[in-house]
Amino acid sequence: GAGVSQSPSNKVTEKGKDVELRCDPISGHTALYWYRQSLGQGLEFLIYFQGNSAPDKSGLPSDRFSAERTGGSVSTLTIQRTQQEDSAVYLCASSLIGTGKTDTQYFGPGTRLTVL
Amino acid sequence: GNSVTQMEGPVTLSEEAFLTINCTYTATGYPSLFWYVQYPGEGLQLLLKATKADDKGSNKGFEATYRKETTSFHLEKGSVQVSDSAVYFCALIGGATNKLIFGTGTLLAVQP
Repeated sequence: GAGVSQSPSNKVTEKGKDVELRCDPISGHTALYWYRQSLGQGLEFLIYFQGNSAPDKSGLPSDRFSAERTGGSVSTLTIQRTQQEDSAVYLCASSLIGTGKTDTQYFGPGTRLTVL
Repeated sequence: GNSVTQMEGPVTLSEEAFLTINCTYTATGYPSLFWYVQYPGEGLQLLLKATKADDKGSNKGFEATYRKETTSFHLEKGSVQVSDSAVYFCALIGGATNKLIFGTGTLLAVQP
């Protein structure tokens, strides 16, 4: 019955360090999405998983960003060599099916990343 | 490409006033349209959606009608409350992908 959960809720890191952000989707949801919310860019799509594969990773801003999903459940978004422009709230969402345009996406509370 | 344009905020209203937040879209084909709301300190929540032309989505007194002829999905509420103060995002899913494309968000502040 729990919703989408994300950890940590806040992460402060130094420029150049790597960070990992975790997302636990709603149980039974096959689709998982990562978005980023920043002051300058608004809400942007990053990557979409159907099961463990990522048919759409068109929103990843650079090759420093990667994501994986294992067991059709938990997903990790990794940012290598963080830059100050990576500072944002990273949102995860999941949906039941992931196909068709009517599937509702449910969002987690987000991870606020601050790169000093 | 697909895009969403919504009115700039902030929108400041007195309690019980009528609310309209304009949203227009550009998309190929027939997208699904959504309004999400973000209350202070909370995550994004789906407010309502419409999946085909002339559909009306409604929830918590809010309504929006999918108008293909004007490519619009304006959000309305007849009588706002202080508790409606939040950021409202219009969004669409269109084409071959399931990614949500969001507008820039509109901050609504309702004063008692």
